[in-house]
Amino acid sequence: AQSVTQLDSQVPVFEEAPVELRCNYSSSVSVYLFWYVQYPNQGLQLLLKYLSGSTLVKGINGFEAEFNKSQTSFHLRKPSVHISDTAEYFCAVSERGQAGTALIFGKGTTLSVSS
Amino acid sequence: KAGVTQTPRYLIKTRGQQVTLSCSPISGHRSVSWYQQTPGQGLQFLFEYFSETQRNKGNFPGRFSGRQFSNSRSEMNVSTLELGDSALYLCASSLGAKEDEQYFGPGTRLTVT
Repeated sequence: AQSVTQLDSQVPVFEEAPVELRCNYSSSVSVYLFWYVQYPNQGLQLLLKYLSGSTLVKGINGFEAEFNKSQTSFHLRKPSVHISDTAEYFCAVSERGQAGTALIFGKGTTLSVSS
Repeated sequence: KAGVTQTPRYLIKTRGQQVTLSCSPISGHRSVSWYQQTPGQGLQFLFEYFSETQRNKGNFPGRFSGRQFSNSRSEMNVSTLELGDSALYLCASSLGAKEDEQYFGPGTRLTVT
């Protein structure tokens, strides 16, 4: 069975500092990987996804993530964060061979950016 | 284009009652998925409908059911509500392929008292 572990439940950083949100997954088959962001009182918005090809994926708002198959990780990074990046971030996987679009989510990481 | 809409946005029900939540997907999207979000369990997949057929189902009791109409709008029903059903219920729509981006609605906040 698939599972997703987000290694940090809360990450506090100062504005303009770099940040890395860590995600590890467990699956016996190939997966697609996603990062979503949720702002207060809103639904989720896709930041980026890894389907195949280059292991470095660039997304919206200056975020990028690197897929590491040997370590089964998909860590999210941003070189310089802004106050507006304060939100909840979710890593998710989808099993390639399974029908449908169901996503398995991690428990989330709260990113708090302060000035 | 208009995003995913969910109605109602907030709902308060009493234990034992039933509730129906509605989701209108983005025009042209044939897949609608439902998720339950709670502080303790996080985001959990409930079920997915594609072209009026349930394509996938998560590990939830039979009290949770859904359907999809020919215009792709979807409803989710929870019968015999329990306190633990209090949650944010999110729906997401997409074109239907696993690689396609899923667009989430703002959710329905259900409180069971």
